[in-house]
Amino acid sequence: KAGVTQTPRYLIKTRGQQVTLSCSPISGHRSVSWYQQTPGQGLQFLFEYFSETQRNKGNFPGRFSGRQFSNSRSEMNVSTLELGDSALYLCASSLYGTRGLLTGNTIYFGEGSWLTVV
Amino acid sequence: SQQGEEDPQALSIQEGENATMNCSYKTSINNLQWYRQNSGRGLVHLILIRSNEREKHSGRLRVTLDTSKKSSSLLITASRAADTASYFCATDASLMDSSYKLIFGSGTRLLVRP
Repeated sequence: KAGVTQTPRYLIKTRGQQVTLSCSPISGHRSVSWYQQTPGQGLQFLFEYFSETQRNKGNFPGRFSGRQFSNSRSEMNVSTLELGDSALYLCASSLYGTRGLLTGNTIYFGEGSWLTVV
Repeated sequence: SQQGEEDPQALSIQEGENATMNCSYKTSINNLQWYRQNSGRGLVHLILIRSNEREKHSGRLRVTLDTSKKSSSLLITASRAADTASYFCATDASLMDSSYKLIFGSGTRLLVRP
């Protein structure tokens, strides 16, 4: 079956602009999580959505937001972009989300969206 | 700081040799997972080990977990050039609403020379 699909793969934005990234989870998966990866901070959790509801959120400013649709596809939006937002944004899907971690629920990642802010 | 810290940060070995990477974490966990990331690509799930398990195998991979030392190791036997990648450990961390999130270590960059 198809894996986690993220679009676009690469994009360049200017400071102050906003960006929307899209993620289609594995069919049947109801949980989508987003992570930011940078050389300096490594992989950091942004937020998780489960059945259209934000389940939890990482320590990021309010400029970072997301949503999930009824078909489980998710979007994340970053407004008023800053240079430091340049990163690889990874989407992950799973059946039960992070609450399933207790039972060893595997989380699958997409290829990511490379965002460069100039 | 991150929950998991990998050691070494970088490792260069010859094809056919074994590669060992270590991960230390700070708080109690339910599971620990290892992921591989090829340059500029997404994360590929390798193996999950539960807190009540001490060792797990998957193909050429062997993972150990020592909860008393809060550490885990990933052994790749008979390495191949295709194993060249970054390897991350990830632990679950509880949040205030009783849900969990994955916290990743800083990763080990493995280079397998042909």
